[in-house]
Amino acid sequence: GAVVSQHPSRVICKSGTSVKIECRSLDFQATTMFWYRQFPKKSLMLMATSNEGSKATYEQGVEKDKFLINHASLTLSTLTVTSAHPEDSSFYICSARVFASGSNEQFFGPGTRLTVL
Amino acid sequence: AQSVTQLGSHVSVSEGALVLLRCNYSSSVPPYLFWYVQYPNQGLQLLLKYTSAATLVKGINGFEAEFKKSETSFHLTKPSAHMSDAAEYFCAVTKTSYDKVIFGPGTSLSVIP
Repeated sequence: GAVVSQHPSRVICKSGTSVKIECRSLDFQATTMFWYRQFPKKSLMLMATSNEGSKATYEQGVEKDKFLINHASLTLSTLTVTSAHPEDSSFYICSARVFASGSNEQFFGPGTRLTVL
Repeated sequence: AQSVTQLGSHVSVSEGALVLLRCNYSSSVPPYLFWYVQYPNQGLQLLLKYTSAATLVKGINGFEAEFKKSETSFHLTKPSAHMSDAAEYFCAVTKTSYDKVIFGPGTSLSVIP
């Protein structure tokens, strides 16, 4: 099956620093990747849709200058949390879409736990 | 706009008992529907999906779901709960193959020995 990896799995950083999270599709090419944020015991909140070679589309209320998304290749998308603050602490999950006929199935990465001190 | 509701944020069943997790959707067009499972501190795993083929969809780990258009429902069931089924379950909907997926609020399933 399609595998999506994320790196790192956990990161702790100081307030004011920037953190980069990588999302890779290991055995398929993903023209579209999604970034989600999940608070404890809550559902997934879509942050942005990332298309290879073009600018990401951000959901309403998501600061594009704070959450920088780059999708430079068909297998890699990165999310950079700039000038992180404690309120940015969360579980970040990426997914990649495979265009199977009539499917729209997404494959999810294992998530990255960000803790900002 | 599409939306998903999951009745019951927490469901508790005895081991061996029937599992029923409810999902109702709102969509202006025939939707694509999904059930995902999430174990603690992990990403989501697809259990099953409905894409306008058979209304009764069988998934992994013995789960199945039935699409009922008249009730706008896509409830998830499993005849006999296992301890390893304890997890968070999310129902999700999308309009087309190219639309973003909308997730429900999730239902936490506990299995009592």
